[in-house]
Amino acid sequence: GENVEQHPSTLSVQEGDSAVIKCTYSDSASNYFPWYKQELGKRPQLIIDIRSNVGEKKDQRIAVTLNKTAKHFSLHITETQPEDSAVYFCAASRRGGGADGLTFGKGTHLIIQP
Amino acid sequence: DVKVTQSSRYLVKRTGEKVFLECVQDMDHENMFWYRQDPGLGLRLIYFSYDVKMKEKGDIPEGYSVSREKKERFSLILESASTNQTSMYLCASSTGGGPYGYTFGSGTRLTVV
Repeated sequence: GENVEQHPSTLSVQEGDSAVIKCTYSDSASNYFPWYKQELGKRPQLIIDIRSNVGEKKDQRIAVTLNKTAKHFSLHITETQPEDSAVYFCAASRRGGGADGLTFGKGTHLIIQP
Repeated sequence: DVKVTQSSRYLVKRTGEKVFLECVQDMDHENMFWYRQDPGLGLRLIYFSYDVKMKEKGDIPEGYSVSREKKERFSLILESASTNQTSMYLCASSTGGGPYGYTFGSGTRLTVV
């Protein structure tokens, strides 16, 4: 089955700096790669996603890049702010299908230092 | 705004009890999922369903079963609760024809004593 590795497990950056979280996946059939943000005590919320026919997608301060050949995708957050502090999860579609669900990475705790 | 509602925020059950966790979504989504979330392990898929009365095993189905009698409702059943099933349980739904992102419920923190 699909396996998703996420690094680092904890990332501390100064406010205003950029943060990068990296994930790799194992199943070449995976075609959908969302990112979720989970604040303390709250449900995970979808923040951005990318499909396998696209190499990069941007939404204001966040962007995601995908390298299908290397089976690698990354989340980039620029000009970090205190409200960016949270746990971030990457995910990849299982067996390439939406009905089959997502496999998640183990999460990255992003800490924004004032 | 899609809503996924989990019936209980906190539950405490005894070892050996049969436990029902309920999830209801109000946006006519075809797909529904149950995950458990544990520190350092992320979210792991227990069971999912893509239609009424249909169910598929996820990555960690042992000790669990599910029921989907109506499109909007997906129940997770712990046949005989054990202490290693103490966890946060998250329900999610997504529209069909995807894959698309999930909408998650608020979670049920289950403690088995």
